[in-house]
Amino acid sequence: GAGVSQSPRYKVAKRGQDVALRCDPISGHVSLFWYQQALGQGPEFLTYFQNEAQLDKSGLPSDRFFAERPEGSVSTLKIQRTQQEDSAVYLCASSPTGARKTQYFGPGTRLLVL
Amino acid sequence: GQQLNQSPQSMFIQEGEDVSMNCTSSSIFNTWLWYKQDPGEGPVLLIALYKAGELTSNGRLTAQFGITRKDSFLNISASIPSDVGIYFCAGQYAGNNRKLIWGLGTSLAVNP
Repeated sequence: GAGVSQSPRYKVAKRGQDVALRCDPISGHVSLFWYQQALGQGPEFLTYFQNEAQLDKSGLPSDRFFAERPEGSVSTLKIQRTQQEDSAVYLCASSPTGARKTQYFGPGTRLLVL
Repeated sequence: GQQLNQSPQSMFIQEGEDVSMNCTSSSIFNTWLWYKQDPGEGPVLLIALYKAGELTSNGRLTAQFGITRKDSFLNISASIPSDVGIYFCAGQYAGNNRKLIWGLGTSLAVNP
């Protein structure tokens, strides 16, 4: 079946520009996660949704970062007034309900802020 | 942000050799996971561990959940060229806090 998809795969933005990154989770998956992965680092948690509810946004680095999942499926991560330090790979993962809630990852969006 | 201690940082081995890598944490985790990430792709789950002391295999891969719940290791036996990539450990706390805490990765290169 279809996995997690993300778009765009690559994004080049000028400093100060707003960007929107999209995640299509696996159909029926209740939970959705966003992670940020800097070059040569492991992913770092940004935020987590269960259905349309954003249950944890403790990892969002600043108020320029905003995520939504209005209908409990597709999610958008928006970064306003991008800065060079925002350059990273943004990974989306989804997981089903159940006791062992494996997270399945998309390919990521590579954001480069010039 | 918080990241786990993962070692070694990189390995360069001959095809056919066995590989071992480990992860330690100052916190207790309820779940330990091992992922592999190829260039330009997202992480792919290799093995999930849910109980202290659990030893689980997936083909040539074997992983264990440490008794203290603060560490885990991954072994790869008889390495092959397609094992090349970056291996990450990740821990998950008990309860409703679902986020994963990640190691910095082990980069594996295999010489055919």
